[in-house]
Amino acid sequence: GENVEQHPSTLSVQEGDSAVIKCTYSDSASNYFPWYKQELGKGPQLIIDIRSNVGEKKDQRIAVTLNKTAKHFSLHITETQPEDSAVYFCAAKPTGNQFYFGTGTSLTVIP
Amino acid sequence: DGGITQSPKYLFRKEGQNVTLSCEQNLNHDAMYWYRQDPGQGLRLIYYSQIVNDFQKGDIAEGYSVSREKKESFPLTVTSAQKNPTAFYLCASSIAPYQPQHFGDGTRLSIL
Repeated sequence: GENVEQHPSTLSVQEGDSAVIKCTYSDSASNYFPWYKQELGKGPQLIIDIRSNVGEKKDQRIAVTLNKTAKHFSLHITETQPEDSAVYFCAAKPTGNQFYFGTGTSLTVIP
Repeated sequence: DGGITQSPKYLFRKEGQNVTLSCEQNLNHDAMYWYRQDPGQGLRLIYYSQIVNDFQKGDIAEGYSVSREKKESFPLTVTSAQKNPTAFYLCASSIAPYQPQHFGDGTRLSIL
């Protein structure tokens, strides 16, 4: 099955700096890549997603890039704010009905 | 407000006991999922259902059972056969398999 690796596992940035989280996947058939934000004691919330026919997608301070050849995709958060502190998960969806998740990145934004 | 409701928020299981976690959605989604989340790990799929009265095992189905008698409801039973049930359980739904999943706020299950 698909294998998704996510790095780094923890990330601390100063408020206002940028944060980048990277994921790699193994199954070249994967064609949908969502990113989720999970706050303590809550369920993950979709923040942005990208499909394999697109190389980059942006939504205000958040962007996702996809390199299909290298099989990796990244989440970019600019002008970070303390409320961006959370655990972020990437996921990949190959053929079939199952999503495969990375192990999460705990982001801390230091005021 | 449309969404997914999981209950209870916290649940305790005694040895040899089966417990059932509730998941209800009013989003009119066809697909529903159950995940297990352990510290430092990603979400692992337990079961999923694409339509009423149909469900498939995920990667870690052993010791769990589900039913899908109504579109809105997808309860998960953690049986006594699950020897390490302590975890955070998340229910999700999506309008179709290739569409984003919406998650509930989880149930934390612990052993007494």
